[in-house]
Amino acid sequence: DGGITQSPKYLFRKEGQNVTLSCEQNLNHDAMYWYRQDPGQGLRLIYYSQIVNDFQKGDIAEGYSVSREKKESFPLTVTSAQKNPTAFYLCASSTGNRGSGELFFGEGSRLTVL
Amino acid sequence: GQNIDQPTEMTATEGAIVQINCTYQTSGFNGLFWYQQHAGEAPTFLSYNVLDGLEEKGRFSSFLSRSKGYSYLLLKELQMKDSASYLCAVMTTDSWGKLQFGAGTQVVVTP
Repeated sequence: DGGITQSPKYLFRKEGQNVTLSCEQNLNHDAMYWYRQDPGQGLRLIYYSQIVNDFQKGDIAEGYSVSREKKESFPLTVTSAQKNPTAFYLCASSTGNRGSGELFFGEGSRLTVL
Repeated sequence: GQNIDQPTEMTATEGAIVQINCTYQTSGFNGLFWYQQHAGEAPTFLSYNVLDGLEEKGRFSSFLSRSKGYSYLLLKELQMKDSASYLCAVMTTDSWGKLQFGAGTQVVVTP
């Protein structure tokens, strides 16, 4: 079945460590996104990519990095520079066509910094 | 930027109707989405409105008034499984598929 797979589902990290969250999709979607969700807040866009080998900063990109070497994959690295990384991270994809903004989400990765 | 406002929480009884309002301020409006999110899970798509009027899909309906910057999601015949957060999200013409989300409305369905 087509969909988006995120891993790991739960991750614990010590302060000062970088961690990479995986996101893979087999929907043949051009656009991929990373959102962060904190309690009581809406989803906030970290990075997005409209096409392979290209990506753009979202609203809260500081302390994060991404790559888009393959259409299917859009990993997110949470670096030690991110001051408050404990959150629920959601990866999403869409066809990217104007007027077709429906997002398909992965199951999410919950990162806890100890 | 965009301001998207929706109530924080609503409580309703099983079998009843609940209306979740969403107001937004944006330029270049290009559609409004509603998503449902159960605790600890991914959001799932409910509806999309780009023209004024009501879109009905089973027990759920969504309304849009572009001139008023206003939408609502109507949930009828509430079931316990409808207890979830409902997210309003707006797309603009300059955002190429990116959505700006409201904080979500937590709906609690009681027996």
